[in-house]
Amino acid sequence: DGGITQSPKYLFRKEGQNVTLSCEQNLNHDAMYWYRQDPGQGLRLIYYSQIVNDFQKGDIAEGYSVSREKKESFPLTVTSAQKNPTAFYLCASSISLSTNQPQHFGDGTRLSIL
Amino acid sequence: RKEVEQDPGPFNVPEGATVAFNCTYSNSASQSFFWYRQDCRKEPKLLMSVYSSGNEDGRFTAQLNRASQYISLLIRDSKLSDSATYLCVVNTPLSDTGRRALTFGSGTRLQVQP
Repeated sequence: DGGITQSPKYLFRKEGQNVTLSCEQNLNHDAMYWYRQDPGQGLRLIYYSQIVNDFQKGDIAEGYSVSREKKESFPLTVTSAQKNPTAFYLCASSISLSTNQPQHFGDGTRLSIL
Repeated sequence: RKEVEQDPGPFNVPEGATVAFNCTYSNSASQSFFWYRQDCRKEPKLLMSVYSSGNEDGRFTAQLNRASQYISLLIRDSKLSDSATYLCVVNTPLSDTGRRALTFGSGTRLQVQP
């Protein structure tokens, strides 16, 4: 089945540690996105990528980094500089950035501080 | 003013009731609109796109009012399984060429009671 796969489902981070969240899609979508959702809040955009080897900061990029070396993959690293990383992280993809098509989401990663 | 505003609810309605949610957006250049459904601790899932002429999908009807900059979602004959948070999503062109951004409302919570 085509879709977006995020792993792991749950992740714990120690102080000072970087952790990487995986996102893979087999929908042949050009655009990919990372969002953060805090309890009772809407989604906030962290980073997005229009195409391989291109990515742009979203609204809350500080303390995060990404790479887009393959079309299918858009991993997110939560660095030690992100002081409040506990949240629900959602990866999404869409056909491209320049269409009116909706985004489709993976089932998310819950990150907590140890 | 938030870019996309929704009444957080909760809307508590009995089974079989009709319920309507509104969502207002601030950017008149917004071009496409969606309703997503998000169950507790799950990823958002596309419920329906919202077209200028209004559109219906079974018990769900979406309307767009560009002049007043709001979209609505009507659910008829509510089921217990409709209990979820409904996210209003607006796709707005960014100032640089060809790119668009999806902005998510914080969601309206619906609780359908037996």
